[in-house]
Amino acid sequence: DTAVSQTPKYLVTQMGNDKSIKCEQNLGHDTMYWYKQDSKKFLKIMFSYNNKELIINETVPNRFSPKSPDKAHLNLHINSLELGDSAVYFCASSPTSGRAGNEQFFGPGTRLTVL
Amino acid sequence: DAKTTQPTSMDCAEGRAANLPCNHSTISGNEYVYWYRQIHSQGPQYIIHGLKNNETNEMASLIITEDRKSSTLILPHATLRDTAVYYCIVVSGNTGKLIFGQGTTLQVKP
Repeated sequence: DTAVSQTPKYLVTQMGNDKSIKCEQNLGHDTMYWYKQDSKKFLKIMFSYNNKELIINETVPNRFSPKSPDKAHLNLHINSLELGDSAVYFCASSPTSGRAGNEQFFGPGTRLTVL
Repeated sequence: DAKTTQPTSMDCAEGRAANLPCNHSTISGNEYVYWYRQIHSQGPQYIIHGLKNNETNEMASLIITEDRKSSTLILPHATLRDTAVYYCIVVSGNTGKLIFGQGTTLQVKP
């Protein structure tokens, strides 16, 4: 009965490849997020979707494209992977995009390594 | 969103209270104080939040000064499993946008 799940947990790939990370939440939340945590452990928001609509889009290269097929899923597709994309990616969800949206539930993370 | 300042690291003896301070001197009237923690290799976990009144839940207590320029997260009886990085975040009321700083690494020792 995992609340926010991500697949895969680990992803090792070559530079230039295209890869996807999947996220699913079974909490009935309206809003989902993607965060990136780099090697220095800084955690930074990338995107947020509310009911399949993009509401936060930080300064992220357009090689990163989030896709939300329904409000329970938010996948992250990354084209032409670069060494600097190596990081841990966390998915999160929250009840709404308002103040309650600050009470976010995080997934276990996907460790991406680009060689 | 207002910036926060936290000590880089703290130690606490197991079973004792852990008091984690946070300064947010530029906080504005509609901004909330949120606390999250991240245990090694796991996703961040929401702990507690408040606006101006002190708050308590099953995990912790949050004490906010009257001028709201600082706050303290209190873990009443720290255990080894409370060893983590603790983040104090100030958020405008309706963004859902969390900006994580470097946080405080709390080491609970036996």
